[in-house]
Amino acid sequence: GIQVEQSPPDLILQEGANSTLRCNFSDSVNNLQWFHQNPWGQLINLFYIPSGTKQNGRLSATTVATERYSLLYISSSQTTDSGVYFCAVGDSSGNTGKLIFGQGTTLQVKP
Amino acid sequence: DTAVSQTPKYLVTQMGNDKSIKCEQNLGHDTMYWYKQDSKKFLKIMFSYNNKELIINETVPNRFSPKSPDKAHLNLHINSLELGDSAVYFCASSHTAGANVLTFGAGSRLTVL
Repeated sequence: GIQVEQSPPDLILQEGANSTLRCNFSDSVNNLQWFHQNPWGQLINLFYIPSGTKQNGRLSATTVATERYSLLYISSSQTTDSGVYFCAVGDSSGNTGKLIFGQGTTLQVKP
Repeated sequence: DTAVSQTPKYLVTQMGNDKSIKCEQNLGHDTMYWYKQDSKKFLKIMFSYNNKELIINETVPNRFSPKSPDKAHLNLHINSLELGDSAVYFCASSHTAGANVLTFGAGSRLTVL
């Protein structure tokens, strides 16, 4: 099955710093989503981005499907950005909505 | 108005017991899912239903039985609980099966003693 690898596994930032999170996947995908799991455990969808670039406030994401990777950019980080960021993909051979998750990047933003 | 709601949020029980987790979505979505998050935060799909029909069953032990009485509800019943079943169980929904945005519930933390 499709493999999803995220890097780095852990990241510590000072408030105000920028960061880039990476997601590599092993096969073609028809679905790619980024999620933020906050310290209370809630999973929030950030982007649905199987290809191209999107921006939402201080967050933006780019997926280069032909090269099998996606990047999540966080600018001017805030303490509320802390948590775990997951990349999840759906392989293009199926049509069930199944998402395969990466292991996540744990981000800590210090004041 | 909560989009995907799960009950209970916390569940502590003894090995061998049977328990259920309920999930309801008010988004009008056709497809619902159960995901399991283990102690290392790894998320894995368990089941998916599309319009009350099972479309994904990911090699989950028979002790786990999902049930979808209608497309707005997907419940999870677990028989003969084991220590390894301790995890956070997330319900989710999407507009249809296929490449769609997932909306997750808040999770149900199950602890088996």
